Amino acid sequence: GIQVEQSPPDLILQEGANSTLRCNFSDSVNNLQWFHQNPWGQLINLFYITSGTKQNGRLSATTVATEHYSLLYISSSQTTDSGVYFCAGIMDSNYQLIWGAGTKLIIKP
Amino acid sequence: KAGVTQTPRYLIKTRGQQVTLSCSPISGHRSVSWYQQTPGQGLQFLFEYFSETQRNKGNFPGRFSGRQFSNSRSEMNVSTLELGDSALYLCASSLMDSYNEQFFGPGTRLTVL
Repeated sequence: GIQVEQSPPDLILQEGANSTLRCNFSDSVNNLQWFHQNPWGQLINLFYITSGTKQNGRLSATTVATEHYSLLYISSSQTTDSGVYFCAGIMDSNYQLIWGAGTKLIIKP
Repeated sequence: KAGVTQTPRYLIKTRGQQVTLSCSPISGHRSVSWYQQTPGQGLQFLFEYFSETQRNKGNFPGRFSGRQFSNSRSEMNVSTLELGDSALYLCASSLMDSYNEQFFGPGTRLTVL
């Protein structure tokens, strides 16, 4: 089955820094989503992106479907950006999201 | 527009008991998916329902079951609880199927003692 790898697994930054999180897929996926899980477990939708680039404030995401990867950019990090970031994509043959293991981001004041 | 709601938010059970978790999707959404999240295994797909029919099922034992009602609300049931069933159970809703953007509820945190 399709494998999803996220890197780095952990990232510690100072407030104000920029970061790039990566998501690699072993095969083609559809409808890739990026989520932020807060300390209470709530998964917050960040981006729903099949290909190309989308931007939302300080965050942007780029998916290169032909090369099976997606990037999440966070600029001018704030302490509230701390948490775990997940990417997930849909397999063609099943109605299920395949998840990466997540990137744990800690932003220090 | 109200988001996905899950009840209860927290639950403590003992081994051998059974539990029922509830999920109300976003109004107008017809697909409901369930996921289990544990520290060791990450997020794993349990099953997906659409129009009261289970369309897909993950690799979980038969003790895990679910159903969907005509109003799209969904329940999942775990029978004969084991310690390893302790997890955060997340429900997601989407418009028609999992290919649409999925939106998650706050989860039910189940602890099995």
